[in-house]
Amino acid sequence: EAQVTQNPRYLITVTGKKLTVTCSQNMNHEYMSWYRQDPGLGLRQIYYSMNVEVTDKGDVPEGYKVSRKEKRNFPLILESPSPNQTSLYFCASSLIYEQYFGPGTRLTVT
Amino acid sequence: GQSLEQPSEVTAVEGAIVQINCTYQTSGFYGLSWYQQHDGGAPTFLSYNALDGLEETGRFSSFLSRSDSYGYLLLQELQMKDSASYFCAVRSSGGYNKLIFGAGTRLAVHP
Repeated sequence: EAQVTQNPRYLITVTGKKLTVTCSQNMNHEYMSWYRQDPGLGLRQIYYSMNVEVTDKGDVPEGYKVSRKEKRNFPLILESPSPNQTSLYFCASSLIYEQYFGPGTRLTVT
Repeated sequence: GQSLEQPSEVTAVEGAIVQINCTYQTSGFYGLSWYQQHDGGAPTFLSYNALDGLEETGRFSSFLSRSDSYGYLLLQELQMKDSASYFCAVRSSGGYNKLIFGAGTRLAVHP
């Protein structure tokens, strides 16, 4: 089954404790992206990657890092999480213009 | 700055037709997409317009006018399961894969 998976689905952590949210797709898509979704703000792009070792900033990259060492994986790294990074995070992949989204990761930073 | 405007809420009854508008102001434009998101779920792709005109996919249609920086999603024969949030998104300057989303329109379908 074609899908995008994210782990963990739910995470509660404390300020400053480094964390990684994994994202994997099995569709051989070149393009992958991370979004955060906050009430009333829609989805905002954090980082995107057009292929292995090629990443670029979206609209809200501050406080986040990504890496793309393999085509199927695109982890999101929060080196020092802060409460304003409490949000719902989605990973997505696409071949051309149709994006396939993962199930989401709800992150709470206290 | 770059922005997309869409109504925050729309209400309709089963069987009716509803139109959700989206106006955009971006420094470049490669295409307008629409996504549907049910509560607690992930966004799912509905349609994409790169050129002016109407694209039809079953009960859903999407329209684009690049000269007016405007598009809409038309939902016909509304069903209760269409109750969801709908987002327009624009591929703008900064790269074909840089996507900007609107804040979303919450559609409530009543019997």
